[in-house]
Amino acid sequence: QSALTQPASVSGSPGQSITISCTGTSSDVGGYNYVSWYQQHPGKAPKLMIYEVSNRPSGVSNRFSGSKSGNTASLTISGLQAEDEADYYCSSYTSSSYVFGTGTKVTVL
Amino acid sequence: QVQLVQSGAEVKKPGSSVKVSCKASGGTFSSYAISWVRQAPGQGLEWMGGIIPIFGTANYAQKFQGRVTITADESTSTAYMELSSLRSEDTAVYYCASLGYCSGGSPCYFDYWGQGTLVTVSS
Repeated sequence: QSALTQPASVSGSPGQSITISCTGTSSDVGGYNYVSWYQQHPGKAPKLMIYEVSNRPSGVSNRFSGSKSGNTASLTISGLQAEDEADYYCSSYTSSSYVFGTGTKVTVL
Repeated sequence: QVQLVQSGAEVKKPGSSVKVSCKASGGTFSSYAISWVRQAPGQGLEWMGGIIPIFGTANYAQKFQGRVTITADESTSTAYMELSSLRSEDTAVYYCASLGYCSGGSPCYFDYWGQGTLVTVSS
């Protein structure tokens, strides 16, 4: 199972919006509405930000939103804040297993 | 709220095995789906395998088939991951995570994570 493809880095200024893409295949991202997104700060465990493509867990800011079209899922962070600077990973369920994206480093300029 | 507490850091020789534990509290352990995810230094997340204690059978990523064993002890609400034939490339932080169930009934997202266990493989 190959990793899902994400851009290595995305940057934006405070207050701006950024979007991170996550491209897979019809066997994973395109085949299920089971895409999730994780935020990871250095030295910390990942934190669930989005599940089932576009659902936010309780406690996650509504500045984070998710969507999917075909084999590509996207995470949008609006009103970018300094605390959003972190690594972000997508993940997809795929027939009793799971695959993660390659990861995207978000930098707040 | 599920809490997952993992065992401490390990240093192992190449060719040996390591067993990492993950003790759960909150919720009903037997119905959890628990997975193990690793992260090599400076690298991304990699799913290794998982288990649902009430069913008892684990499934593994093809890459780790034959080298990893995931078990669960319902009496102590603890999951274990044992990796054998260790090599330097296995140096990583190993996380356990519980999975939430999606609307279709499958466990499909990692909602709670342990703190991670650093395993260093070095001669």
